[in-house]
Amino acid sequence: GQNIDQPTEMTATEGAIVQINCTYQTSGFNGLFWYQQHAGEAPTFLSYNVLDGLEEKGRFSSFLSRSKGYSYLLLKELQMKDSASYLCAGAGAAGNKLTFGGGTRVLVKP
Amino acid sequence: DSGVTQTPKHLITATGQRVTLRCSPRSGDLSVYWYQQSLDQGLQFLIQYYNGEERAKGNILERFSAQQFPDLHSELNLSSLELGDSALYFCASSVAARLGDSGNTIYFGEGSWLTVV
Repeated sequence: GQNIDQPTEMTATEGAIVQINCTYQTSGFNGLFWYQQHAGEAPTFLSYNVLDGLEEKGRFSSFLSRSKGYSYLLLKELQMKDSASYLCAGAGAAGNKLTFGGGTRVLVKP
Repeated sequence: DSGVTQTPKHLITATGQRVTLRCSPRSGDLSVYWYQQSLDQGLQFLIQYYNGEERAKGNILERFSAQQFPDLHSELNLSSLELGDSALYFCASSVAARLGDSGNTIYFGEGSWLTVV
């Protein structure tokens, strides 16, 4: 199976940038996903990387390095509504499930 | 709204009882996944079905079972409930069987809150 590691918590200021790192096992990999989850709500899909490099989607960008088993999610121009947990997830070679990390709780302060 | 529908939204039941959680996937999606999320725990994969067939099993207890019906809706049955089964149970769906191919990903329902007392 896959091990997905990410920091437990981060704090940032409104308008700033925060980078959430994620490391994963590199064997049997078919894509790295990021989800946002507000407390008590459903996770919502943010981004997907399967090739090395940066994918940009508005204020959110995600980066992947397959050789290093490393990804990050970059949140720019932080808004109060961005306070949430951000979940890193990997699809294994079989592609029959996503394995999630424990999530990084981001607190945006005024 | 992801298009994945789960019922009931909230459920309170006693230890030893049995409950059934229901899920309707997004229109056109053939794969259904069940995840459990306990307080302060990450999402734990339970089981996946594709077009009626079980495809993958995760950390699903023997007291739990699931199935996907011909109309593609799925049910998760939890029996002999224990206090530790209290959690948020998510259903998710995807269009294809293999995640990651062409960016195929999963979309979550709002979840069913189960409280065992």
